Amino acid sequence: GAGVSQSPSNKVTEKGKDVELRCDPISGHTALYWYRQSLGQGLEFLIYFQGNSAPDKSGLPSDRFSAERTGGSVSTLTIQRTQQEDSAVYLCASSPEGSNQPQHFGDGTRLSIL
Amino acid sequence: AQSVAQPEDQVNVAEGNPLTVKCTYSVSGNPYLFWYVQYPNRGLQFLLKYITGDNLVKGSYGFEAEFNKSQTSFHLKKPSALVSDSALYFCAVRDVSTGFQKLVFGTGTRLLVSP
Repeated sequence: GAGVSQSPSNKVTEKGKDVELRCDPISGHTALYWYRQSLGQGLEFLIYFQGNSAPDKSGLPSDRFSAERTGGSVSTLTIQRTQQEDSAVYLCASSPEGSNQPQHFGDGTRLSIL
Repeated sequence: AQSVAQPEDQVNVAEGNPLTVKCTYSVSGNPYLFWYVQYPNRGLQFLLKYITGDNLVKGSYGFEAEFNKSQTSFHLKKPSALVSDSALYFCAVRDVSTGFQKLVFGTGTRLLVSP
């Protein structure tokens, strides 16, 4: 079946511009996560959505970062006034409800800030 | 706070030899433990998990991992390595008792299997 889909796969933009990254989770998965993976680094948690509950935004690095999830499905991660340190691979994952469930990852969006 | 340590940045092994990728964790309560693999320009793929029960967990592609509570470890193993196993491996933990849903990942270990 279809996995987690992320778009675009690559994004190059100029410093100071806003960017939107999209994640389409696996159908029926109620949990959705965003992570950031910088070169040579592990995965940094950004934000978590679970059903209709308030999202866990504890990992967002600054107020330039925001995310929403419409209708419990597609999610958009927005970065405003991009900085060069925002350059990274942004990974989205989804899972069924339940803390024992593994997360299923998309292939990520590689973001490059010039 | 929950944390994961992968002490080796890289593990080198010859094809056909057994491999071990190390992981230790720290949680205040009971852990759920996961291993993922990442190939170049791809997302992470789930390999196996420990939730409860038998300490030896078997997963995809012939991988297995052993949960050791006293040593707070969850090392990934495979009896006979393949060149195609070369990839980046991540260990992750979720502290169930805190109610936190996010996974905390280690920094990853690059496995290089030589022909």
